[in-house]
Amino acid sequence: KQEVTQIPAALSVPEGENLVLNCSFTDSAIYNLQWFRQDPGKGLTSLLLIQSSQREQTSGRLNASLDKSSGRSTLYIAASQPGDSATYLCAEKYSSASKIIFGSGTRLSIRP
Amino acid sequence: EAGVAQSPRYKIIEKRQSVAFWCNPISGHATLYWYQQILGQGPKLLIQFQNNGVVDDSQLPKDRFSAERLKGVDSTLKIQPAKLEDSAVYLCASSLDGPYEQFFGPGTRLTVL
Repeated sequence: KQEVTQIPAALSVPEGENLVLNCSFTDSAIYNLQWFRQDPGKGLTSLLLIQSSQREQTSGRLNASLDKSSGRSTLYIAASQPGDSATYLCAEKYSSASKIIFGSGTRLSIRP
Repeated sequence: EAGVAQSPRYKIIEKRQSVAFWCNPISGHATLYWYQQILGQGPKLLIQFQNNGVVDDSQLPKDRFSAERLKGVDSTLKIQPAKLEDSAVYLCASSLDGPYEQFFGPGTRLTVL
């Protein structure tokens, strides 16, 4: 069974710290992996999409990496800010036609 | 560019009642998805459309849930009759064909009493 796991479920850090969020998946034959942000009561906002042929993607203070051999992806957030507080979800797609499988998310809180 | 639109934003019903949700995807997006997100969990795909054809509905409880996408544009998701465990946020998303990112609407929060 294909599963996506995100640990920890919640994380609180002081403002200004660099941090890493983890995502692990059971099947290394992935098609792409996407990181999302979800604010309370809101839909999901796409942050970064990594294709299976790529190792990482960057957008501003965010960097996502993909290691298929170990079944892991990480989202690195540099110089965290209170506005980064949200739930971060990773989602994996196993083929162009397959459904996306989401992790349950990491709830991030940045303390001023 | 307008995003994915959903309505209503909130709905409260009693169990055994019926409810319908509407989604209008981003213009030009052939693929449309409906997800169910229970509190504290990641979204779970209910149904995926490619234009107006169903690609995947393996996790749709077909005895009570139905969905359609007429003319390959907007879509409706219906629950009839609702159960307490259907309380969740229902998210609609759309994407272009191929390995492209999904864009999500704001969701409809359903409470079944």
